[in-house]
Amino acid sequence: GAGVSQSPSNKVTEKGKDVELRCDPISGHTALYWYRQSLGQGLEFLIYFQGNSAPDKSGLPSDRFSAERTGGSVSTLTIQRTQQEDSAVYLCASSFSIRDWEYFGPGTRLTVT
Amino acid sequence: DAKTTQPTSMDCAEGRAANLPCNHSTISGNEYVYWYRQIHSQGPQYIIHGLKNNETNEMASLIITEDRKSSTLILPHATLRDTAVYYCIVRINSGGSNYKLTFGKGTLLTVNP
Repeated sequence: GAGVSQSPSNKVTEKGKDVELRCDPISGHTALYWYRQSLGQGLEFLIYFQGNSAPDKSGLPSDRFSAERTGGSVSTLTIQRTQQEDSAVYLCASSFSIRDWEYFGPGTRLTVT
Repeated sequence: DAKTTQPTSMDCAEGRAANLPCNHSTISGNEYVYWYRQIHSQGPQYIIHGLKNNETNEMASLIITEDRKSSTLILPHATLRDTAVYYCIVRINSGGSNYKLTFGKGTLLTVNP
C-alpha cells in the first residue's frame, strides 16, 4: 500500500523566503510527526499531531516555524524568512496511534542559499 | 529512556546472517526494545520491537536475553540493500513523551558482495 509521501523531495530557496513542506500520511493514521535531520546528525523532533491538534510543539526551533494538519490527514510545515541554519532534511512520519511505531516518509531536503 | 550501546560498525557477507548486538543494561520493566534502520539518503524504517519474548517478522528476528539487558537483531540472509545504519532504542509504549524518537549513533552495517 501507499506509504508516507512528502513533497517536494528537494527545495532550494534563498535566505529570507518562505517555504512550505507537505506531508501525506498513511490513510487512517491518527498520529503525525515532523522531525529534521541535519547532515550526519540525529533526529530532531519538531512537532506531533494527534488528529488535527498539536499537543506538543516543543521542538519547533523558533516562531518562524509553524505547522498545521487538516482533515486528520495532510500536514504542512511552514518556515518563514528562512535562514541558512534551516538547511536540513525534514522528515514526516505517521503512526496508527501514539502507541504504535512510525512509518517515515522519504523526507524533503531543504537548502537555503 | 534507558541508554543503549551498539558497536560503531560491522561487516557481513551477502547471503549470510547479520547479527547486530545492543546493550541496554538499565532498561526498565515497561520499556520495549525497538530497532530501526536508515539507509543512506532515506527516512528511518521501523524493523521490529519486543518486550521480553523473542520476535520474528518478515524482515528480521529479535532475540532478547532473559534478563533483558541486551538483545540481538538478526537479518537471516543479508543483501546489499541491507547496508544501513541500524538503531537500537528502548522506549515505553504509553505516556510521557515516548513518541519522541531519539537515535544514538547506531551501527553501520556494511553488507559486502
